[in-house]
Amino acid sequence: DQQVKQNSPSLSVQEGRISILNCDYTNSMFDYFLWYKKYPAEGPTFLISISSIKDKNEDGRFTVFLNKSAKHLSLHIVPSQPGDSAVYFCAASEGSNYQLIWGAGTKLIIKP
Amino acid sequence: EAGVAQSPRYKIIEKRQSVAFWCNPISGHATLYWYQQILGQGPKLLIQFQNNGVVDDSQLPKDRFSAERLKGVDSTLKIQPAKLEDSAVYLCASSFRTGLAFYEQYFGPGTRLTVT
Repeated sequence: DQQVKQNSPSLSVQEGRISILNCDYTNSMFDYFLWYKKYPAEGPTFLISISSIKDKNEDGRFTVFLNKSAKHLSLHIVPSQPGDSAVYFCAASEGSNYQLIWGAGTKLIIKP
Repeated sequence: EAGVAQSPRYKIIEKRQSVAFWCNPISGHATLYWYQQILGQGPKLLIQFQNNGVVDDSQLPKDRFSAERLKGVDSTLKIQPAKLEDSAVYLCASSFRTGLAFYEQYFGPGTRLTVT
């Protein structure tokens, strides 16, 4: 039972354009969401997070949007750069249970 | 600041053999996690330590997997005996549990295990 789903295994975007990565979840009790980025042969690194009391959080070129009614969140990268090519994981946690539930990841490829 | 260290980086063993992985978290991080990441999937939590106590090991296959955290710092994860389905990357992460920073886990490079 996948509680966090990233339905696009891969995404290809032109350099300079916007990259939009999507994530859906089924557990309405999730109240904190995170995005991690992973390069080959390295561990995931934290990118940006959002609490369920917000619907948007920005950090430089990265913005995460949360739509609680649709149980959907998205990560926007503007403008996309070659160094953004990586696998992006969405993760969620529920209340006092701090265990992170992870999606399967989306491989982002930025074309020059 | 030194990151999370893991060793070995790669390991190939035959089924029914045993294997151990080592993790040294970031200095001062009280919480340590072991994850299993099978190819094409997201990381799955195996066990979480707070200092040297176990917080959550509900997804640890205890008939073959064991883990300990010595003196609340380094940790080892052992598999005995290994099965083919244990082939995965084993990730160690740590976090400094304080407010929202608790959620920001810092990962090591992982150990890629291949069971033949």
